[in-house]
Amino acid sequence: ETGVTQTPRHLVMGMTNKKSLKCEQHLGHNAMYWYKQSAKKPLELMFVYSLEERVENNSVPSRFSPECPNSSHLFLHLHTLQPEDSALYLCASSQDQGLGSYNEQFFGPGTRLTVL
Amino acid sequence: AQKITQTQPGMFVQEKEAVTLDCTYDTSDPSYGLFWYKQPSSGEMIFLIYQGSYDQQNATEGRYSLNFQKARKSANLVISASQLGDSAMYFCAMREASGTYKYIFGTGTRLKVLA
Repeated sequence: ETGVTQTPRHLVMGMTNKKSLKCEQHLGHNAMYWYKQSAKKPLELMFVYSLEERVENNSVPSRFSPECPNSSHLFLHLHTLQPEDSALYLCASSQDQGLGSYNEQFFGPGTRLTVL
Repeated sequence: AQKITQTQPGMFVQEKEAVTLDCTYDTSDPSYGLFWYKQPSSGEMIFLIYQGSYDQQNATEGRYSLNFQKARKSANLVISASQLGDSAMYFCAMREASGTYKYIFGTGTRLKVLA
């Protein structure tokens, strides 16, 4: 595998289910991101991990719970979601070198989530 | 506050022609980076080009160039010799140097290349 991979690619779940999205980066990067992409809205940053430490939590509801066990893996645990949470969830990674660092992000293909 | 504006929801261009996708930004930070990404229908965001706020020259990457006008706070993407495979959503993004990890994205422009 190369780049950033995400599983599953598609997920349909009921509001009472618990599921997890997985992201893996094979680039040796030190920062990983979760984004939500809804139709006709800008990409919304949800969480950022740098060196496995959460550094951004963008007012995301507690029904979304991130986990970063190591620098290559990132999870998004989902529980009791709402229909408005249906969206494309994108994972990204970058090599972050601190202040003034502007390295590009590499994105995975996303998980298309539908909440019934 | 940081903000990215893309005013063109959709654009058409004839194959082999050049096209400019507009992006304006707002920031009070003197140091920042600007990015363009392409998102085909498959969903994956693909990095195209980067411009730093202190870069003296406009960035170029193959058929992509960035028309950076700092005083106007604009960072337009120019695609030369359009190809059918260029049909996709294009997003402009910015990151400030203020110590956060936030990349702010615009709403995107959907480009359709016509044969």
